[in-house]
Amino acid sequence: DGGITQSPKYLFRKEGQNVTLSCEQNLNHDAMYWYRQDPGQGLRLIYYSQIVNDFQKGDIAEGYSVSREKKESFPLTVTSAQKNPTAFYLCASSRPGSPDTQYFGPGTRLTVL
Amino acid sequence: AQSVTQLDSHVSVSEGTPVLLRCNYSSSYSPSLFWYVQHPNKGLQLLLKYTSAATLVKGINGFEAEFKKSETSFHLTKPSAHMSDAAEYFCVVSDRPYDMRFGAGTRLTVKP
Repeated sequence: DGGITQSPKYLFRKEGQNVTLSCEQNLNHDAMYWYRQDPGQGLRLIYYSQIVNDFQKGDIAEGYSVSREKKESFPLTVTSAQKNPTAFYLCASSRPGSPDTQYFGPGTRLTVL
Repeated sequence: AQSVTQLDSHVSVSEGTPVLLRCNYSSSYSPSLFWYVQHPNKGLQLLLKYTSAATLVKGINGFEAEFKKSETSFHLTKPSAHMSDAAEYFCVVSDRPYDMRFGAGTRLTVKP
């Protein structure tokens, strides 16, 4: 089945540690996205990538980093510089030519202890 | 700048009664508008999408939305609520590629 997988589903980290969230898609989509969701708020864009080896900052990129070495994969690293990293993180992808129709993964809930 | 306001943070209906989730948008251009649904601890699923064709858009699971430019609204409706409709609903506006603005969400509760 085609889709987007995110792992792990739940992630705990201590303050001061970097952590990497995985996102993989087998939809053959060119574009991929990372969003952050906080309670009572909509999604906010962290980074997006239109093609391999290229990515752009979204509205809240500070404290995060990404890479796009393969079309299928778009990992997100939450660094220790991110002041309030506890949130639900969603990865999405879109077909070529249809960036406004996005398909979402199931999400990773990150908790900083 | 584009933005979207969902007018109700929480809506509660009885099973079998109509659903109305309200959304107003702001955009300098002709936007695309969307409704997504999110069940607890899950990703988002596209319900429907408006892209300047018919103003009444039909989506999945019996939902539909009407684009009203004069009112800058894109309200989501369903004639008869089902228990499985209980979820969080997000209205989204996009007037540039790769730039989607999400509303804060409306939590729909369906009572038996």
